[in-house]
Order: sequence, then C-alpha cells, then structure tokens
Amino acid sequence: VQLVESGGGLVQPGKSLKLSCSASGFTFSSYGMHWIRQAPGKGLDWVAYISSSSGTVYADAVKGRFTISRDNAKNTLYLQLNSLKSEDTAIYYCARRDFYWGQGVMVTVSS
Amino acid sequence: DVVMTQTPPSLSVAIGQSVSISCKSSQSLVYSDGKTYLHWLLQSPGRSPKRLIYQVSNLGSGVPDRFSGTGSQKDFTLKISRVEAEDLGVYYCAQTTHFPLTFGSGTKLEIK
Repeated sequence: VQLVESGGGLVQPGKSLKLSCSASGFTFSSYGMHWIRQAPGKGLDWVAYISSSSGTVYADAVKGRFTISRDNAKNTLYLQLNSLKSEDTAIYYCARRDFYWGQGVMVTVSS
Repeated sequence: DVVMTQTPPSLSVAIGQSVSISCKSSQSLVYSDGKTYLHWLLQSPGRSPKRLIYQVSNLGSGVPDRFSGTGSQKDFTLKISRVEAEDLGVYYCAQTTHFPLTFGSGTKLEIK
C-alpha cells in the first residue's frame, strides 16, 4: 500500500488549493478514503471521508469550503480547499479506510 | 462528537520496561456490524502516523508482537512490552465507528 500526497504550498487567506493523493499497491476503487490534518505541533483532526461509492462526509469546520472527490481510473483522491483560513494551516494526510497513511503534504495559509 | 480521553499525556521509560496507555471514549465504539473500530497509531518523530493496532486488538502488518491492545465498549488499553528505542514517539487512539472520526490527544513516549 502506497499513498503519496501532492499539491500543498503557501496560499493567501480566502484563496483555493487542490490536494491530490496517488494510490498504489491495492484496488483503490474498493476502499473508502479519508483526509486527516495535523496543525503544527498539534494532534490529529479528521477532515473528510469518501466511500468506495463516492458518498461523502465532512467535518463541520470544513463543510461548505472543502470538497473530497476521487478518480478511480487514475487511482487518485482529491481535496479541493476553498475559502482558506489561517486555521487550515496543517499537514494534510490521506489515509485508507483502515488507516494506512500517506506521508502528508503541508498547506500554509498566510498573507 | 465522541470524545476520546487518552492518558497519560507522556511517559518516560527505560529500555526493556513495559508500559500501558489508556483510552476511554464518551460513547460505545461498537458498530452496528458488531465490530469495534478502535485503533492505535504511532507517530514517530518527523513521520506520518502508522497503524499499530486495528479493531482493538489486531496487530498491524509488520508490527512486532510486543504491542498488544485490549478493551471493549468504551475502555481500551495499549500495552508495550519490553520497550525498545524505536518505540519513541506519540501514540494516538482513534475511533472510526462514528462520524466525525475522533482521536485521543496523544501520549508522548520518551526513552530514559
């Protein structure tokens, strides 16, 4: 199982960013996937989930601003981050439903 | 939301000692399928979290059997027998029974 995130960076408040998570070593289409984040020096904070059939669930803190999606043909999970706030600054991890984790990607929201 | 109360917040142990970490949830973690989705993770310094134990007591792939998990309903324990230097880091419990997923606040294990 390998999960590799990409797309992070420095972005201004109010702007947008799209994260990707490339999956390999397993049948991606058969698994639900999570996005989980970790602010600098803090604990783990669940963000969103997408099932194998593309049903979605969001944390209240990101509902209406973030969108989780998947492309099974490309074995890739996405997280669209809109209307970013400074409190969204964190390492963003993708994780398989049964908690195999990627290495994470840093998102910094600052002017 | 399910609150996960994890104790102690930190531990300092010598190589070869055994330690236990407690995790208590504010609600039962038994899902409608009868399974309990309580997991233990280790985040080594500078690394992403790694699954140690899943569904209370199942050892993750490649995890040494010095690690064990027990518990039921709302009360869970991770035990590390014969601590080794590579075990240092922050341990988290996590529940995936209920949305939103929630995590314990972490236990930082240091080696004396």
